[in-house]
Amino acid sequence: EADIYQTPRYLVIGTGKKITLECSQTMGHDKMYWYQQDPGMELHLIHYSYGVNSTEKGDLSSESTVSRIRTEHFPLTLESARPSHTSQYLCASSRGQGAFAEQYFGPGTRLTVT
Amino acid sequence: AQSVTQLDSQVPVFEEAPVELRCNYSSSVSVYLFWYVQYPNQGLQLLLKYLSGSTLVESINGFEAEFNKSQTSFHLRKPSVHISDTAEYFCAVSPMYSGGGADGLTFGKGTHLIIQP
Repeated sequence: EADIYQTPRYLVIGTGKKITLECSQTMGHDKMYWYQQDPGMELHLIHYSYGVNSTEKGDLSSESTVSRIRTEHFPLTLESARPSHTSQYLCASSRGQGAFAEQYFGPGTRLTVT
Repeated sequence: AQSVTQLDSQVPVFEEAPVELRCNYSSSVSVYLFWYVQYPNQGLQLLLKYLSGSTLVESINGFEAEFNKSQTSFHLRKPSVHISDTAEYFCAVSPMYSGGGADGLTFGKGTHLIIQP
């Protein structure tokens, strides 16, 4: 059973606010990922991490930032939320690559910026 | 680099009918293949995967997929669908060997399976 958690599940916030989406996993996985997904649409990788103190930008440009101070924790921050940030954000982790590339997903955070 | 094409964005099918969701991939190296399912308002869950061995792999809820190397395909099938199978289905690939970058999964755009009563 995958153990990866995201909070909050739903967030409605006004324009200009700073927000942090939390993601934690208890599987000891080195690799973690953030995806952005509009309802019923494809996944877009926005950030990933190989391990502690490692963060990289993904395929889709995003105004968000991430940090990886602890293996189990990979928060995503928006300094100033805008309506264009309204989307679902999915966090995932994996053991590695190749045969270990299977990713385990959290339940997602649905963000609405008004 | 890899790419995944899911040819159908939506597949409507009647309950208890068979279904096939198509997935084709492109890669310059050998790959592992995955199918994920996403139910409404949830994250993705692994449905099945092909790593090696028999080219036909099965899931616990009646889905199966067959790896066809010559056609670079990994189509997902179920002989009889239920209302509860309504979901988004994503095909994904991973290179067998590290090639830099995210080294993660490359996902297709997804296929929305709609079960009609």
